Amino acid sequence: RKEVEQDPGPFNVPEGATVAFNCTYSNSASQSFFWYRQDCRKEPKLLMSVYSSGNEDGRFTAQLNRASQYISLLIRDSKLSDSATYLCVVLITGGGNKLTFGTGTQLKVEL
Amino acid sequence: ETGVTQSPTHLIKTRGQQVTLRCSSQSGHNTVSWYQQALGQGPQFIFQYYREEENGRGNFPPRFSGLQFPNYSSELNVNALELDDSALYLCASSYGGGTGNTIYFGEGSWLTVV
Repeated sequence: RKEVEQDPGPFNVPEGATVAFNCTYSNSASQSFFWYRQDCRKEPKLLMSVYSSGNEDGRFTAQLNRASQYISLLIRDSKLSDSATYLCVVLITGGGNKLTFGTGTQLKVEL
Repeated sequence: ETGVTQSPTHLIKTRGQQVTLRCSSQSGHNTVSWYQQALGQGPQFIFQYYREEENGRGNFPPRFSGLQFPNYSSELNVNALELDDSALYLCASSYGGGTGNTIYFGEGSWLTVV
């Protein structure tokens, strides 16, 4: 079983749609949680951190449920520029601060 | 820009050869981590160097080795290249191991093994 599991997609949505991505993680020692965005053939870039209280950054809302080991990302009013792969990431400390990535969910926003 | 630079950006090697990839960390950062990202997969942790010592290793064979220099730049060496080593190799720098929002990635080195 992978440590971080995501639906690979692709999710094809029209511009303006709301789309939700989910992710589960298996290591209860995971300490911090993030969503990264990766454009084609580029490096991953931090989109936002994820907290149990939920957090919002403009059109993006992230939520963590520690009891269920579940992380979500909601994108409202999708733009063409949101097309990318979204990586669910957990940080485990001890033996190095190791980021563990999911396989990523591909989003394609269409006209 | 993250201030993390990697070289070379692209290279092609033959199976069985050896390769060295280089990373210059962001100024003030003393920790470098290396990740391998195969096509269609998320990045996988190879190892981390903190103050010139290996500080954690993922599930990679010993033919993957590394170094960190006094200026905190780093090298990733892969011996006896296999076709499955074809991937994007990412370097990430941070201070003291970092947290997810203080870890900065370079643009990566694309390795193709033929």
